[in-house]
Amino acid sequence: DIQMTQSPSTLSASVGDSVSITCRASQTIADWLAWYQQKPGKVPKLLIYKASYLDSGVPSRFSAAGSGTEFTLTITSLQPDDFATYYCQHFGSDSPWTFGQGTKVEI
Amino acid sequence: HVQLQESGPGLVKPSETLSLTCSVSGVSVTSGSYHWSWIRQPPGKGLEWIGQLFYSGINNYNPSLKSRVTISADTSKNQFSLNLNSVTAADTAVYYCRALEAGGGGRGAWGQGTLVTVSS
Repeated sequence: DIQMTQSPSTLSASVGDSVSITCRASQTIADWLAWYQQKPGKVPKLLIYKASYLDSGVPSRFSAAGSGTEFTLTITSLQPDDFATYYCQHFGSDSPWTFGQGTKVEI
Repeated sequence: HVQLQESGPGLVKPSETLSLTCSVSGVSVTSGSYHWSWIRQPPGKGLEWIGQLFYSGINNYNPSLKSRVTISADTSKNQFSLNLNSVTAADTAVYYCRALEAGGGGRGAWGQGTLVTVSS
């Protein structure tokens, strides 16, 4: 089964900073990766699909790149609304579609 | 526009079966455009993929839960369901149903989630 390793687990930043979160797959998954944002008590929100495509309505300060086994989510010019937990999830082959462990972006 | 709504008991006793239903509107569960999935999140923890039902009828389950879980569809009611047997307190979580666009790489809809507590 494909394992997803997300890092860091916690990221401390300030408004206006640029931050990056990494997700590594134990096997190649091409571009079958999504990124989500979740706030406490809320449903996860899709940010990025197919590794690098911004979902509708997602601000352009979010971007993502990668293919194969290494993927990165970048948030430029952090806004107060961006402080949340971020997850990656793969959709590779018939392997269980596991999530990364999550990255909490905090002040 | 696909919309999902979970329903089911909020409290289940240990060793019993957790049963949840996801009502689907906006698309048929027999549509080849979507796969049907369940995800859970224990309090204060991360997201855990439980499994899914492909539009072809084939299931794919999390190996850690595979021996206890069944995901199936009721086409007459346009619903899909989750059954998890022999539950313990570790199964206490918010359970989400999800519709994933086939080939969409993550695009789709979420239910609003329902908290299920396992306790006697």
